[in-house]
Amino acid sequence: AQSVTQLDSQVPVFEEAPVELRCNYSSSVSVYLFWYVQYPNQGLQLLLKYLSGSTLVKGINGFEAEFNKSQTSFHLRKPSVHISDTAEYFCAVGNYGGSQGNLIFGKGTKLSVKP
Amino acid sequence: DTAVSQTPKYLVTQMGNDKSIKCEQNLGHDTMYWYKQDSKKFLKIMFSYNNKELIINETVPNRFSPKSPDKAHLNLHINSLELGDSAVYFCASSQELAGGRADNEQFFGPGTRLTVL
Repeated sequence: AQSVTQLDSQVPVFEEAPVELRCNYSSSVSVYLFWYVQYPNQGLQLLLKYLSGSTLVKGINGFEAEFNKSQTSFHLRKPSVHISDTAEYFCAVGNYGGSQGNLIFGKGTKLSVKP
Repeated sequence: DTAVSQTPKYLVTQMGNDKSIKCEQNLGHDTMYWYKQDSKKFLKIMFSYNNKELIINETVPNRFSPKSPDKAHLNLHINSLELGDSAVYFCASSQELAGGRADNEQFFGPGTRLTVL
């Protein structure tokens, strides 16, 4: 069975500071990974995804994430955050042997950017 | 143009009632999903459906049933509503990929906040 752990439920940070949101997964088969963002009172929007190949993936809004197979991690980073990045961030994992499109989501990390 | 839309946005109802939430996608996708997000923001898949199969999360009570009149719609019917059904329900869609791959992006609707009194 797969699982996803987002180690921090809340991350407060000041504007223009760097941020890292941590995600660890467990799976016995090859995985693909996503980061989604949920702005207040909205649905989820894809930030970036890792399928295969280069372990560093770049997404929208200046975010990037690095897939580390040995540490089973997929941490999300941004070098300088803006107030508008305040949102809930979800890491999700799926596997190529699993049910069509079914993803397991982490419990989310609330990023609060303060001026 | 809205890619995945849901109606209603808010739904307040009494325990024991039967209600439906509608979902429509205009992306031409052939796979649709329903998720439940609880008060702690935990997001859990309830169903995935395409024209070939319906996959039900085994933890979903049989009071919940998806109905798909056509490829662009996947409605969620809930019978005998309970207090614990209060949550935000998200519909999503994605394009099925060849070879059984399931790693395509899912597009989410704005959510329906269900409150059971």
